[in-house]
Amino acid sequence: AQKVTQAQTEISVVEKEDVTLDCVYETRDTTYYLFWYKQPPSGELVFLIRRNSFDEQNEISGRYSWNFQKSTSSFNFTITASQVVDSAVYFCANFGNEKLTFGTGTRLTIIP
Amino acid sequence: GAGVSQSPRYKVAKRGQDVALRCDPISGHVSLFWYQQALGQGPEFLTYFQNEAQLDKSGLPSDRFFAERPEGSVSTLKIQRTQQEDSAVYLCASSLPRQNTEAFFGQGTRLTVV
Repeated sequence: AQKVTQAQTEISVVEKEDVTLDCVYETRDTTYYLFWYKQPPSGELVFLIRRNSFDEQNEISGRYSWNFQKSTSSFNFTITASQVVDSAVYFCANFGNEKLTFGTGTRLTIIP
Repeated sequence: GAGVSQSPRYKVAKRGQDVALRCDPISGHVSLFWYQQALGQGPEFLTYFQNEAQLDKSGLPSDRFFAERPEGSVSTLKIQRTQQEDSAVYLCASSLPRQNTEAFFGQGTRLTVV
């Protein structure tokens, strides 16, 4: 069975600070896919990134970066120079058995 | 349409009432998923369709929950004899039928059972 743990329930930072959201996953699959989604107040889940288990290369997209480490089963997400528009709930998820298993989410508040 | 469309956006039902929630996926997306999101929690899987075939319904919490996708496009999630614990946001997602592709989510239907 898949399991995703996001230990940080809520984080608040002042605008322009960097912030890292933690994600730890559990799976018995040898091939798996990890995702991050953003859920703004409107409620829609917005896709941010997909990572395959066989590709541990870290990725950067603008102010966003992701650190995937199989040795610690972690897939952490960093926002650099945070902005108020980054305020949302962020979910980490693992795709296996034709379904996404989500963590409980981290509510990020950026204080202007 | 450009994205996944769900209706209604909000639904208030009296306990014991039946409700039907609609999902219109992205055109051409073969896979369709329903998730339930309780307040302050992550979405939890309910059921999965590939075209009109319901391949997995292991997440449906009881036999009061029923989903269909008769023509492989629009899907309806029906809840019979609603109870207060059914109050949640119901999210629909669609995707291409490959494991390494992202699912696109609708805005959800917020169901409140009173």
